[in-house]
Amino acid sequence: EDKVVQSPLSLVVHEGDTVTLNCSYEVTNFRSLLWYKQEKKAPTFLFMLTSSGIEKKSGRLSSILDKKELFSILNITATQTGDSAVYLCALLYNNNDMRFGAGTRLTVKP
Amino acid sequence: DTGVTQSPTHLIKTRGQQVTLRCSPISGHKSVSWYQQVLGQGPQFIFQYYEKEERGRGNFPDRFSARQFPNYSSELNVNALLLGDSALYLCASSLENIQYFGAGTRLSVL
Repeated sequence: EDKVVQSPLSLVVHEGDTVTLNCSYEVTNFRSLLWYKQEKKAPTFLFMLTSSGIEKKSGRLSSILDKKELFSILNITATQTGDSAVYLCALLYNNNDMRFGAGTRLTVKP
Repeated sequence: DTGVTQSPTHLIKTRGQQVTLRCSPISGHKSVSWYQQVLGQGPQFIFQYYEKEERGRGNFPDRFSARQFPNYSSELNVNALLLGDSALYLCASSLENIQYFGAGTRLSVL
């Protein structure tokens, strides 16, 4: 089965720290890679990455895709307690199937 | 503009029963996808519907079925419930490949 592997599984940091979340995968025939933030129930969309090497930014969050090395990273700078959540990475295939990793649980302590 | 709405929010059933979960997409979205999320894991793709037709199906048994109505709302049916069907069931509607999730239905099978 196609694998989407996220690391670390969990992470505890203090406010103001910078974190890097990793998402690696094994296949190449996908349409896009997406990042979501899940706080309680509904995952909320963060980024969609289609092209390799092009960084997407939104405030303190940024993400980039490396199609050669088969991974993506999500960076969060100057973390806040409101960033505490599970961060999910997913591959969107051409047949509309979307495969998620298990997520990284980020806890930001005051 | 309302987001994706799902009903009910919580449901308790016993083994062998049948359940129907409902989803209303964001206005203007014609595609609806269903996911099962077990505690500690990422969402797993069940179905995608577009314009009332099934466009994708994940690796779930035939006990799982779905349909989409002319107003683009959707129902997910699960027959002969098993204890292992206990999970958060998420619905997502999509526009231009980005899926927007509802808050889910928490199903407990006793």
